[in-house]
Amino acid sequence: AIQLTHSPSFLSTSVGDRVTITCRASQGISNALAWYQQKPGKAPNLLIYDASKLGSGVPSRFSGSGSGTDFTLTINSLQPEDFATYYCQQFSSYPLTFGGGTKVEIK
Amino acid sequence: EVQLVESGGGLVKPGGSLRLSCAASGFTFSTYTMNWVRQTPGKGLEWVSSISSGSSYKYYADSLKGRFTISRDNTKSSLYLQMNSLRAEDTAVYYCARASEDQLLTFDYWGQGTLVTVSS
Repeated sequence: AIQLTHSPSFLSTSVGDRVTITCRASQGISNALAWYQQKPGKAPNLLIYDASKLGSGVPSRFSGSGSGTDFTLTINSLQPEDFATYYCQQFSSYPLTFGGGTKVEIK
Repeated sequence: EVQLVESGGGLVKPGGSLRLSCAASGFTFSTYTMNWVRQTPGKGLEWVSSISSGSSYKYYADSLKGRFTISRDNTKSSLYLQMNSLRAEDTAVYYCARASEDQLLTFDYWGQGTLVTVSS
């Protein structure tokens, strides 16, 4: 199975900051990567698919990039509602796998 | 409005069985691939299983080793997960999730989840 590793696992930051989260795949997956946001007690929400395409209704301050094994999720001008845990997911091959997540907290 | 409502979770002893259900509404259920994803308490997400719109294709996580069976009833807009030989490590919140219209192997709508606890 393809393993996904987030970096960092935890991030303490402030409203208005620019945040970059990295996801590294254990083997090349082309652009078959998605990003989700999850808030406590809620189901995940799809942010990005195909590594860089914005999901429906997702604010433009979110963006994704990367290909192969290294991917990034960037949040420009972090808003209070963006404090959450972010997960990457690969869909290059079965079994579909998720990364362990990056928790973004208020400094 | 798309809605996915899971049910059937609860406390079960190791070795026991449980059947989860997911009632879908607000979209044409019969045309979408559907999925189960689980999340262990305080930890991350794990894809469990997927089933194509007409049930022709079914995929499972390797860790399940034939213990779980996914199915659907398009006449009832319902998705199911039969879980047998349950183990402590199957304890998790189980989510029903719809395949995204934009990218089939991602998940654009999720239910609220149902908690399965495997303990003696």
